[in-house]
Amino acid sequence: GENVEQHPSTLSVQEGDSAVIKCTYSDSASNYFPWYKQELGKGPQLIIDIRSNVGEKKDQRIAVTLNKTAKHFSLHITETQPEDSAVYFCAAIIDFGNEKLTFGTGTRLTIIP
Amino acid sequence: GAVVSQHPSWVICKSGTSVKIECRSLDFQATTMFWYRQFPKQSLMLMATSNEGSKATYEQGVEKDKFLINHASLTLSTLTVTSAHPEDSSFYICSASWTDTQYFGPGTRLTVL
Repeated sequence: GENVEQHPSTLSVQEGDSAVIKCTYSDSASNYFPWYKQELGKGPQLIIDIRSNVGEKKDQRIAVTLNKTAKHFSLHITETQPEDSAVYFCAAIIDFGNEKLTFGTGTRLTIIP
Repeated sequence: GAVVSQHPSWVICKSGTSVKIECRSLDFQATTMFWYRQFPKQSLMLMATSNEGSKATYEQGVEKDKFLINHASLTLSTLTVTSAHPEDSSFYICSASWTDTQYFGPGTRLTVL
């Protein structure tokens, strides 16, 4: 089955700087990669996703890049703000409709004011 | 769009009692919903896949008779924790699939005394 590794497990960034979280996956058949943000005591919130037919996707301060050859994808947050502090999870799926997501282990991001 | 709700948001019960958690897709129909369990500072662990009108598919190691899942309509899935014990205390999160993307509910904190 699919295995997703995520690094780093914790990340502290000065407000205004950029944060990068990296994930690798094992199954080359995976073709959909969402990123979720989870705040304390809440459910995960989808923040951005990318499908295997593109290499990069951007939404304001958030971007995701995908390297299918190397089987890794990354989340980039620019101009970080205190409200970006949360746990971020990457995931991978073989996108056949309602298949199961395989999650990474999570990254606790702390933005230092 | 793509809003998923859960009820209750938290529940405290005595050992031996049963607890029902509801998961609703508010603005879309979901043939498939998923139930996760999350321990503190850990990633989400998939418990079961809930399919409307059919039996749920449980992950290995998850007790079917203890965690009863019913997906009676396209907008509602329920998880019943039967004869709950303190070790069942956890954060339970559901998700629903819509346009090949999973959207998560806000979670239910279960505490068994």
